[in-house]
Amino acid sequence: DVKVTQSSRYLVKRTGEKVFLECVQDMDHENMFWYRQDPGLGLRLIYFSYDVKMKEKGDIPEGYSVSREKKERFSLILESASTNQTSMYLCASSPDRISSGANVLTFGAGSRLTVL
Amino acid sequence: GEDVEQSLFLSVREGDSSVINCTYTDSSSTYLYWYKQEPGAGLQLLTYIFSNMDMKQDQRLTVLLNKKDKHLSLRIADTQTGDSAIYFCAEIGQKLVFGTGTRLLVSP
Repeated sequence: DVKVTQSSRYLVKRTGEKVFLECVQDMDHENMFWYRQDPGLGLRLIYFSYDVKMKEKGDIPEGYSVSREKKERFSLILESASTNQTSMYLCASSPDRISSGANVLTFGAGSRLTVL
Repeated sequence: GEDVEQSLFLSVREGDSSVINCTYTDSSSTYLYWYKQEPGAGLQLLTYIFSNMDMKQDQRLTVLLNKKDKHLSLRIADTQTGDSAIYFCAEIGQKLVFGTGTRLLVSP
């Protein structure tokens, strides 16, 4: 019954490595989002996408990029990981745009990344 | 910009009521949400309230909205150990903004 799947639950990487975080949803949702979650800071939006091959910057896009080649898959890329990117990364999808009404996000279980 | 604040921790005993509070700044908010995050899991929507409502009740959950003071609360009646989790409020005005999260610990 899993609807949003993040393939890596735990990753440990070294500073400077390239990191891919994959997210797949099976609900045919148009919209997908990447958040990072840090204690005391809540969830902060990194990037989002309203359509295939479309991406928009969120509140904290620096140091990240994304890829949406297929509707069901939204990847987060850290070109050169740094220690301040150690965090929990949450992927979400929704059928509606954020700006419309009672938007409900469905979240994945999260990917905890540690950068040494 | 928009800001959503919550206290970081709340500890209650099993069977008591829990009240988790949230304040927000965006007066154009249309919907306000409560999400629950259990250990090792993503967020799940618990309930939401439209901004023209004062209260919404759903079984053990009661949401109160004071739009004048921009204050939202979630009351959980008869709190159980399974309610231990992090609770996030979120509001959607110009954009969706999440609060900092409140960790609820329920002791037997």
